[in-house]
Amino acid sequence: DIVMTQSPDSLAVSLGERATINCKSSQSVLYNSNNKNYLAWYQQKAGQPPKLLIYWASTRESGVPDRFSGSGSGTDFTLTISSLQAEDVAAYYCQQYYSTLYTFGQGTKLEIK
Amino acid sequence: EVHLVESGGGLVQPGGSLRLSCAASGFTFSNFNMNWVRQAPGKGLEWLSYIHSSSSSIYYADSVKGRFTISRDNAQNSLYLQINSLRDEDTAVYYCARESPLGSFLDYWGQGTLVTVSS
Repeated sequence: DIVMTQSPDSLAVSLGERATINCKSSQSVLYNSNNKNYLAWYQQKAGQPPKLLIYWASTRESGVPDRFSGSGSGTDFTLTISSLQAEDVAAYYCQQYYSTLYTFGQGTKLEIK
Repeated sequence: EVHLVESGGGLVQPGGSLRLSCAASGFTFSNFNMNWVRQAPGKGLEWLSYIHSSSSSIYYADSVKGRFTISRDNAQNSLYLQINSLRDEDTAVYYCARESPLGSFLDYWGQGTLVTVSS
């Protein structure tokens, strides 16, 4: 199975500041035939189901604010929130869908400093 | 509007069985691949199982293979998860999730149903 490892496990950032969450896969999730990274990011607020934020590593889902961006390729990926808002307090998860056995990272809990 | 509503959770004794259901509406269910994902209390997300739109392909996480069975009824717009030989560590909220038509990421999730395994 592809193991997804996120860092840090938790993060406290001041309002208006940048938040950066990292995700590393145990093997490349870049599919060479279409040059796409099979990597998604989800946001989960307390008491709610996860919500899709980013897919193909860098494509924002419709309706997701543009302060959220995804980057990276191969095995190393980053989710960046450019200017943290109070409503961004949540857990964030990366997920690979390269393998038929999907796997999630362990999650990163984002709080306000 | 897409809606996914899970049901069938509850309190069950170790060794017992449970069948979870997910009722889908707001989209053509028979055209979409579906998944089950769970989340133990205070823990992260764990992908469990995938089923193709036509049931032609089914996959399971190693952790549940042999105990969990995914199925669907496209005529009833419903997804199912049969869970057997329940263990304490199966205590979790179980979510059904739809795969996007653009790729195998999960674009819609239900609210989840809680399964508690305890004697």
